[in-house]
Amino acid sequence: NAGVTQTPKFRILKIGQSMTLQCTQDMNHNYMYWYRQDPGMGLKLIYYSVGAGITDKGEVPNGYNVSRSTTEDFPLRLELAAPSQTSVYFCASTADYEQYFGPGTRLTVT
Amino acid sequence: GNSVTQMEGPVTLSEEAFLTINCTYTATGYPSLFWYVQYPGEGLQLLLKATKADDKGSNKGFEATYRKETTSFHLEKGSVQVSDSAVYFCALPTTGFQKLVFGTGTRLLVSP
Repeated sequence: NAGVTQTPKFRILKIGQSMTLQCTQDMNHNYMYWYRQDPGMGLKLIYYSVGAGITDKGEVPNGYNVSRSTTEDFPLRLELAAPSQTSVYFCASTADYEQYFGPGTRLTVT
Repeated sequence: GNSVTQMEGPVTLSEEAFLTINCTYTATGYPSLFWYVQYPGEGLQLLLKATKADDKGSNKGFEATYRKETTSFHLEKGSVQVSDSAVYFCALPTTGFQKLVFGTGTRLLVSP
C-alpha cells in the first residue's frame, strides 16, 4: 500500500513551458485534491475531485487544469508556466475528512 | 465559512520543554478538528483529531482538547524531542466535499 505518490519530486521550468504533475493513490478514495504551498504560507486549494470524471475549482485555479479519468489518478497540468507558479505542490486524497498527502513536487519557474 | 487561526512561529524550545501551539477556529456547528504535522521535505500527515466538543485527541505524546466555549484546539506536549521539529497545522472542514481549511502553520524548532 503506497498511499499517495507524486512525480516528479523536483522540476525546473522556463517561463512559458508546460508540464503535468502526476498523482496516484491506491486507497480507492473518491475525493482528491491539489494544493500549493508557498514559503511561510499555509496550503491553498487549487482543484479538487469528488470522483472519476468530476472536478471543480478551488481557491487558486488560474493557470492550472486537471482531469480525473480514473479513481486512482489526478494529474495537474500547468500551461504557460509563470514565475508566480514557483511553489511546492501537494496532492491528497481523503477518507472521512482524514487527508493523506503525497510527498510533494517542488517546482521552480525561471 | 469556517476558518482557523494559529500562532505565528517559529517556536524555539530546548529538548524536554513543554510545548503549546495555539489554534482558534470559527465554525458553524461543531465540526471535527485536526492537527497535521509536516516534517522537513515531506507532505502533511495527520497527527491527531477530535470529532466532538470536549473530546481530547492524542498521538505520539501530543494532545489537543476541543473546547467549544473558547473555540480553541491548542496543541500540547509535555516534553518535546529534537525529532518533533516540524511545521504544525491546525485544520477543520469547510464548504463540503470533505475539504479542509488549514491554518498558516507553526514551525517548531527543538534544540538538544
